[in-house]
Amino acid sequence: SAVISQKPSRDICQRGTSLTIQCQVDSQVTMMFWYRQQPGQSLTLIATANQGSEATYESGFVIDKFPISRPNLTFSTLTVSNMSPEDSSIYLCSVLTKHPYEQYFGPGTRLTVT
Amino acid sequence: AQKITQTQPGMFVQEKEAVTLDCTYDTSDPSYGLFWYKQPSSGEMIFLIYQGSYDQQNATEGRYSLNFQKARKSANLVISASQLGDSAMYFCAMSANFGNEKLTFGTGTRLTIIP
Repeated sequence: SAVISQKPSRDICQRGTSLTIQCQVDSQVTMMFWYRQQPGQSLTLIATANQGSEATYESGFVIDKFPISRPNLTFSTLTVSNMSPEDSSIYLCSVLTKHPYEQYFGPGTRLTVT
Repeated sequence: AQKITQTQPGMFVQEKEAVTLDCTYDTSDPSYGLFWYKQPSSGEMIFLIYQGSYDQQNATEGRYSLNFQKARKSANLVISASQLGDSAMYFCAMSANFGNEKLTFGTGTRLTIIP
C-alpha cells in the first residue's frame, strides 16, 4: 500500500482567495489524481496530475480555476483559485501504485468558503 | 463511457448480520476493474476490495467479498458478521484497463449498523 498525506487537512477561506493543497506519497507512484466531493455527494474527478507535463482535466474543470503541479513522482499540488462558496468540498488526492489494481486515497482536505 | 449505479441510498442492518450492498455497472470496455471503498464520517476513503473483469473467482478480503456476476453487470459487496464500526458510506467504483485508470464512482450507500 501507499501512505499518503495531504496538507492542510481543513481550512476556512474567504471568497475570492486561493488555496493550495499538497499531496505527498511515501513511494513513487505511476499516476496521481485529484477528486472533489461536494457535500453529500459522490466523488468527481477533477484531473490527472502528470509528472513533468500539464495535467489532464475532466469536462467541467479548467486549468485557470484548478491549476495542478506534479514536479516529481511523489508530490502534487492542487490550487483552488478565486474561490466561491460553491467550492466548499472535500478535495482528495489518490494514487495508483506499482502494485496494479490498487488505488489509494489521501485523508482529504475539507474546504469551507465563506 | 462508464457508469456505476448504486440504488440503495441507505440501509439499516442489525449487528452481526450479513449485509449486501448493490452495485451495477455499464461499460463497453472489456478490460475493467471494479472497486469498493468505505468512507467513515472522518471523510477518508478506505480501499476494501478489487475485482478484475477477467477474474474467474469472486474477490475476498477478510469479512468482505465481492459477488461478481459479469453477465448481469453486477458487483455487489457482501459484508459478513457486521460490526458497529462498519457504519459508513460505501462507494462502488470502476476503472478501465483493469483498474489502472481514473475511477468512476457510484452515488454511494449509507450503511448503519444497529446494536
